Order: sequence, then structure tokens, then C-alpha cells
Amino acid sequence: AQTVTQSQPEMSVQEAETVTLSCTYDTSESDYYLFWYKQPPSRQMILVIRQEAYKQQNATENRFSVNFQKAAKSFSLKISDSQLGDAAMYFCAYRTSSGTYKYIFGTGTRLKVLA
Amino acid sequence: NAGVTQTPKFRILKIGQSMTLQCTQDMNHNYMYWYRQDPGMGLKLIYYSVGAGITDKGEVPNGYNVSRSTTEDFPLRLELAAPSQTSVYFCASSGTGNTGNTIYFGEGSWLTVV
Repeated sequence: AQTVTQSQPEMSVQEAETVTLSCTYDTSESDYYLFWYKQPPSRQMILVIRQEAYKQQNATENRFSVNFQKAAKSFSLKISDSQLGDAAMYFCAYRTSSGTYKYIFGTGTRLKVLA
Repeated sequence: NAGVTQTPKFRILKIGQSMTLQCTQDMNHNYMYWYRQDPGMGLKLIYYSVGAGITDKGEVPNGYNVSRSTTEDFPLRLELAAPSQTSVYFCASSGTGNTGNTIYFGEGSWLTVV
């Protein structure tokens, strides 16, 4: 079975600085999708960024980028120029490539942004 | 666009009561899911469905039941509520092909069992 591990329960970053959130996963599949979701205090789940495993190029979305290391099964999220609005829980997620399309989530990292 | 709609948003249940959390999506997605999120924790999959008439258990199905009579609706039934079921419940959906590359969530239903 696939698993997703986020080893950092909490991280802090100064406003305007850069922070990296870690995620590792375990799978025997060669094709899959990886995601980072943001959950602010409202509990809404917001897609931050998506990576397709067959693509070697790391995904980027404005200030958000990932470092995808397929062999190491690592998928970290880098947030540049951190803003107060980035404060939230961040979840790493894995989606199977098989027909069930199950999404498996990590336990989350709480990001605090210090003014 | 409505997306995924869950009702109710908040509910307090007494131990032993039953209730149904409603979920509907208007994106014609085949895949639908129910997750629960306990305080400070990640999301755990309760049940999922790959299409109308097909459901399957996730990680934590005990105490819950689901049905999927239509593509749009995926209600979650709690029978004999217990304090351990106090949680935030999220319904979600996903399509196939390119639309299957993202999971869309409802706003969550906060349930307290006392």
C-alpha cells in the first residue's frame, strides 16, 4: 500500500523569506500524481501545486515550486517570498494511477509566517 | 460554479443517534470520496466510489455507510453515533482523464458527538 510521510509537524518562516516543506512517499507504481494542498483555518482544502510522476521537470506555480526526486521518492514544496497569507496547514498527497484514483494524504505541516 | 456541496456544515449529535451527511457535486465526476479529519491530524479515507452503484471501504469505514445511486450524490450515514466520530468530514470528487488530476473538496462538515 502507498504511504505519504510528512516529518515536520510545524515550521516557521519570516515574512519574505523562503521555506521548504518535506514529503516522502512509498509506492511500487511508476506512474502517479503528487500534490500539495493548503488548508487555512477555514478548513477549506486548496490545491497549491501538482506534479506528474512521468514528468522530470519540477512544477512551479508563482511563488510555489517543488523538488521532485522520483528515485528518492521525495516531493518537497518550496515557498518563496513568504507572505502572512501563506500561514496554514500544508498536506502532501499521492494519487494512484490505477482505476480507483485513491488520494492518500500525509499528516500535514503547520506553517507559521512571522511578521 | 457550485463544485462539491456538503450539508450540514455543523451538527451536534447525541451518543446513539444517527444522521446522514449529504454530498452532491455538479462536475459530472465519476469518483467521490469521504474523508474525516481529526483535530491536528491528516485526512483519513472512510469510503470512496468509482461510479454510480459502486462503493468501497477506505481506511476507517467502521461505523459508517454510504450509497451512490446517482453520479451526483454520495451521502454518508452515521449509525449509532459515538464520541470517537467527532471530527470534520470532507466530501470530495475527481474526474477521469485530465479532470482526474485534481481532487475537489467540499467545505467540510463539523460533527460533534456528545
